[in-house]
Amino acid sequence: KNQVEQSPQSLIILEGKNCTLQCNYTVSPFSNLRWYKQDTGRGPVSLTIMTFSENTKSNGRYTATLDADTKQSSLHITASQLSDSASYICVFPNSGYALNFGKGTSLLVTP
Amino acid sequence: DTAVSQTPKYLVTQMGNDKSIKCEQNLGHDTMYWYKQDSKKFLKIMFSYNNKELIINETVPNRFSPKSPDKAHLNLHINSLELGDSAVYFCASSQEPGPYEQYFGPGTRLTVT
Repeated sequence: KNQVEQSPQSLIILEGKNCTLQCNYTVSPFSNLRWYKQDTGRGPVSLTIMTFSENTKSNGRYTATLDADTKQSSLHITASQLSDSASYICVFPNSGYALNFGKGTSLLVTP
Repeated sequence: DTAVSQTPKYLVTQMGNDKSIKCEQNLGHDTMYWYKQDSKKFLKIMFSYNNKELIINETVPNRFSPKSPDKAHLNLHINSLELGDSAVYFCASSQEPGPYEQYFGPGTRLTVT
């Protein structure tokens, strides 16, 4: 059964600090892994899509890594801003390419 | 310009009523989706249409009926609303079914009283 576990469940950091969010998965077959950001009261926004052959992908201050051997992915946020406060969700497509969302990590950046 | 738009943003209605939520995308995409986000914050796929044809229909009560009049629109009609239908409904679109970016609308918060 496909499973995705994210940690931590929630995180509070000071503005300007870095943080790393983790995603452990057992998904087969593996097609791609996506990180989405969802602000409260808004729709999810894609940050990255990583395929099997990609180890690292950056999108501004967001850097995602993928280790297909250990089935782990991380999302690193550099120099956090207040606007980074959101849920960050590790997402996999199912066989029909609809997306399977987990609960994600809730990040709060404080002044 | 809004890429994926939904109306209404908020919908409050009584049990037993019938309501519709509309979705439009101006991205020129062929594939559109409806997702439901419940109180536990999980987003779950409900339906997917490609070129106006249904390609995904998850285990959703048949009170929910999607309709795609054209590739740019995917509406969701719900009959005989129940308390458990209260949730946020998100529309999304992608270029095609496949490993493509999915763009989400702002969501419609449905409250059934």
